[in-house]
Amino acid sequence: DQQVKQNSPSLSVQEGRISILNCDYTNSMFDYFLWYKKYPAEGPTFLISISSIKDKNEDGRFTVFLNKSAKHLSLHIVPSQPGDSAVYFCAARNSGNTPLVFGKGTRLSVIA
Amino acid sequence: GAGVSQSPSNKVTEKGKDVELRCDPISGHTALYWYRQSLGQGLEFLIYFQGNSAPDKSGLPSDRFSAERTGGSVSTLTIQRTQQEDSAVYLCASSLGAIRPQHFGDGTRLSIL
Repeated sequence: DQQVKQNSPSLSVQEGRISILNCDYTNSMFDYFLWYKKYPAEGPTFLISISSIKDKNEDGRFTVFLNKSAKHLSLHIVPSQPGDSAVYFCAARNSGNTPLVFGKGTRLSVIA
Repeated sequence: GAGVSQSPSNKVTEKGKDVELRCDPISGHTALYWYRQSLGQGLEFLIYFQGNSAPDKSGLPSDRFSAERTGGSVSTLTIQRTQQEDSAVYLCASSLGAIRPQHFGDGTRLSIL
């Protein structure tokens, strides 16, 4: 049973436009959500996170939105840049000492 | 370096052999995690160490898998009698505490022939 789902395996966006990556989860006990970015042959890099007490968190070009009632979060990147081309993983966790549960990732390609 | 270091970066071995994968976490990080990523899959949790507490082994797929963390720092993941389905990238991560973002190493790509 996949608790964190990224239903789009890939996404292509033109440079300068907005990239929207989506993530759905099934476990209502999740209260902390993260996005990681991964380049080939490298480990994932932490990008941005959001606690369940918020519905939006912004950091520069990156904004994460959380809709708890829909169990849905999204990552917006604007404007998109060619260097943003990578695989993006959504992850979630329960409170306390629990490991992250990851989605399968979405490969973003930003076309110049 | 200042990041999480994993070795070897690549490992090719024959089915049935034992392998050891090493992780050097960021200095001062009390939490250490092992994940693996099989082809086309997300990151699958394997095991988690937090300070001196008993590790959370709930993600280990079989008793052929084990891990140690010596002195609260370096960790070794051991796979005994490797099988072809063990082929994956094994990723280690560490964090300042359980609720802080995890920092990943670049992984060990394990290929079982």
